Amino acid sequence: NAGVMQNPRHLVRRRGQEARLRCSPMKGHSHVYWYRQLPEEGLKFMVYLQKENIIDESGMPKERFSAEFPKEGPSILRIQQVVRGDSAAYFCASSPRTGQGLSPLHFGNGTRLTVT
Amino acid sequence: AQKITQTQPGMFVQEKEAVTLDCTYDTSDQSYGLFWYKQPSSGEMIFLIYQGSYDEQNATEGRYSLNFQKARKSANLVISASQLGDSAMYFCAMREGVGTGANSKLTFGKGITLSVRP
Repeated sequence: NAGVMQNPRHLVRRRGQEARLRCSPMKGHSHVYWYRQLPEEGLKFMVYLQKENIIDESGMPKERFSAEFPKEGPSILRIQQVVRGDSAAYFCASSPRTGQGLSPLHFGNGTRLTVT
Repeated sequence: AQKITQTQPGMFVQEKEAVTLDCTYDTSDQSYGLFWYKQPSSGEMIFLIYQGSYDEQNATEGRYSLNFQKARKSANLVISASQLGDSAMYFCAMREGVGTGANSKLTFGKGITLSVRP
């Protein structure tokens, strides 16, 4: 059973470009979470999605950031007009459907975004 | 107030000895879960162990055990017989609203760096 797959593993963008980060959840998991980790810090929640629905986006910056989880295909975290402060590791996690609240989140290996 | 507090500075332990990593939490929910994750230098997040708020016994998973003291709101991770490969960052996390049908997010602490000395 493949784990959570994130790509690319490393992404370099120049200021002002767009960054697209992809996440395929574990098989059978219909919930996806995105987290951001700045150097020497813990993971900060960004957004929680189910298929075709954003459930909680309380951690998303108001501008330039968006996320989707379409019916088919991976979840996408999109950062428009990137700035140097967006440089971080972005982790995706998945869990089974509602009702299994004690299940841990299973994380991908992350995408390291560097903005030059 | 912070939901998860990990205040220890970098921790050091001699190989084969036991070490305790501290975690305190803050919640008004009656039903919640506590989790520990390991992040080695390679960067991935590895799930180690969890404890439900209604579990009467402390969780154990191999060399990992969770010292859960509900009244003190602490959930310390104990690693027995430390190995060199245990050197990593360790994060405590909490999930609130468990059992309500919600599938809520994990809230993480800032982490603790553990170094195992040979």
